[in-house]
Amino acid sequence: DTGVSQDPRHKITKRGQNVTFRCDPISEHNRLYWYRQTLGQGPEFLTYFQNEAQLEKSRLLSDRFSAERPKGSFSTLEIQRTEQGDSAMYLCASSLASSGNTIYFGEGSWLTVV
Amino acid sequence: GEDVEQSLFLSVREGDSSVINCTYTDSSSTYLYWYKQEPGAGLQLLTYIFSNMDMKQDQRLTVLLNKKDKHLSLRIADTQTGDSAIYFCAGGLTGGGNKLTFGTGTQLKVEL
Repeated sequence: DTGVSQDPRHKITKRGQNVTFRCDPISEHNRLYWYRQTLGQGPEFLTYFQNEAQLEKSRLLSDRFSAERPKGSFSTLEIQRTEQGDSAMYLCASSLASSGNTIYFGEGSWLTVV
Repeated sequence: GEDVEQSLFLSVREGDSSVINCTYTDSSSTYLYWYKQEPGAGLQLLTYIFSNMDMKQDQRLTVLLNKKDKHLSLRIADTQTGDSAIYFCAGGLTGGGNKLTFGTGTQLKVEL
């Protein structure tokens, strides 16, 4: 069990460019979550999947954001036409729905939009 | 929706106990969690408590839950310098996919 893995750990991009983050959950976990954390704040929920189905999206997830989990394993979070306000850490977490009390987070992907 | 509040800073001496407090608004949270975050890192799950429990102890960590006052606390016994970090409490609803609502975090500084 290698834990939740995220890639890349750091990304610096120019405003207007697209970026994609990848998350590999703990292998047997069927739930996968994306959160965003800005400096000095707690993480905020963006979206979650159970297997390949995206079951809920936050209002924070604008049209420029899209998340997928095509085979119910890894997930990607794409941000199109990045804006400076997108600068944040994007955290992925996973859990097993049958024991939803333990939710494990990855190390996060830092995005800086310049 | 749920609101979760925490005090921003706590400073303690090494070897003393630390108590980090949290208040929440949604009494329907099924589970309440404590996470630790070190600089530049992700969140480490420390412990959680089911909403029908009053207390949970796990080695140096003790969680107390007062449902009437919607108050959650984390006590760290014999605090060490390695405990210096930001601590987040969070509430989750099992029926809502267990998505979590986090507080703003309490920065714990442990001084020698």
